[in-house]
Order: sequence, then structure tokens, then C-alpha cells
Amino acid sequence: AQSVTQLGSHVSVSEGALVLLRCNYSSSVPPYLFWYVQYPNQGLQLLLKYTSAATLVKGINGFEAEFKKSETSFHLTKPSAHMSDAAEYFCAVSGLNFGNEKLTFGTGTRLTIIP
Amino acid sequence: NAGVTQTPKFQVLKTGQSMTLQCAQDMNHNSMYWYRQDPGMGLRLIYYSASEGTTDKGEVPNGYNVSRLNKREFSLRLESAAPSQTSVYFCASSPLPRQYFGPGTRLTVT
Repeated sequence: AQSVTQLGSHVSVSEGALVLLRCNYSSSVPPYLFWYVQYPNQGLQLLLKYTSAATLVKGINGFEAEFKKSETSFHLTKPSAHMSDAAEYFCAVSGLNFGNEKLTFGTGTRLTIIP
Repeated sequence: NAGVTQTPKFQVLKTGQSMTLQCAQDMNHNSMYWYRQDPGMGLRLIYYSASEGTTDKGEVPNGYNVSRLNKREFSLRLESAAPSQTSVYFCASSPLPRQYFGPGTRLTVT
């Protein structure tokens, strides 16, 4: 069984400020972890993924996330927010169950950038 | 390479009507999925297909049926639409371990 909790359904940051979106997971097997971004009226795009290699994962658009097993966390960060980062962000977890790689999504965090 | 495509983009149905949402992928992926997205609830899995010829229920399958027509296509059918099925529907396909998403179908049931 697996689950994801995203703390904060809405986060607002000023342009140029640090972005921190929180994700905690629960998984009975070693997890794969993902962050997806959804821009208005679009599908989901993969930002980055953790697949048991390096614990600090770099993604597109300057985002990165760190896998911390002891804290069961996979928080998403970006040092300096840009107006184009305004979107909804979803954390997701998948178990290592090949041939049945279902994703479980968090409820999402809507990021607003203040000019 | 179009990725994952979905039709239609928008649809309005009356309660009790039926319709089929179409999804196709050109990436030769074995696994395909249907999700619904509702405000504050993230994406919830309706049905998935791990390979051609197989389908399995996800978290919220009631009121839906699916067909994996071939490796490329995975359709979702609403036999008798209800207002509770108003949602945005996403299809996805998957090589291990990530998923690729289509642009979505916005469905309103009145």
C-alpha cells in the first residue's frame, strides 16, 4: 500500500523567492517518487523522478527534490521563483511492482507567484 | 510522435446519456491508464491496462467500463452518465516507471 500527503493546498511566494512544496509518502516497498506539474487547462508533465539512484534529483525548469528516507519526504524546491512557475504541482509514488506500475497521487499544491 | 492523444477535448452530456472517451498512444507502451481529476482530490485511478487484452479496476471504477482495443488504444465508456461524473479525465501510458499524460477531456454532466 502507498500514499502521498502534500502539505498545503495553496502556496504563494514572491517572484525571486525560494519555492518549497512539501510531500511525504508512505510505501510498503522501496518507492519511486515523482513530481508532476500541471499548467492551466493542460495535462500533467513530469518535473523530476527519484528511482533509487542519487537522493538529490534535479528536474526541469530549475526544480530539484531530495529523497529523505528517514523523514519519508520528497520536498520540491527552486531557489528563485519565476512568474512562469505558477501552476499546480502533484507529488506521486509508485511501488517497485513491475508490470503493475500504478501511481498514487497527492491532492496537489497550487503555486501562486506574487509579482 | 504525438505522444498520448485524447478525444474529445470537451463534452456536455445529460444525465443518463452514454459516451466513450478515446485515448491513443504512439510510444509502444504496454500499460495505459484512465484517471479523473476533481478539485482538491488530485488524480484518482479509474481503470488501468497492464498489457493488451487485460484491464483492471482502480480506485474509482463504478459507473465506468474500459476496452483495450489494441496496444495503442484504451477507451473509457460511461454507460449512463451521472452529475457525479462531471470531471476532467486524463489518459496516460507508461514505460517503467513514469507515466505520460494526454491533454485531458473536460466532461460536464447536467
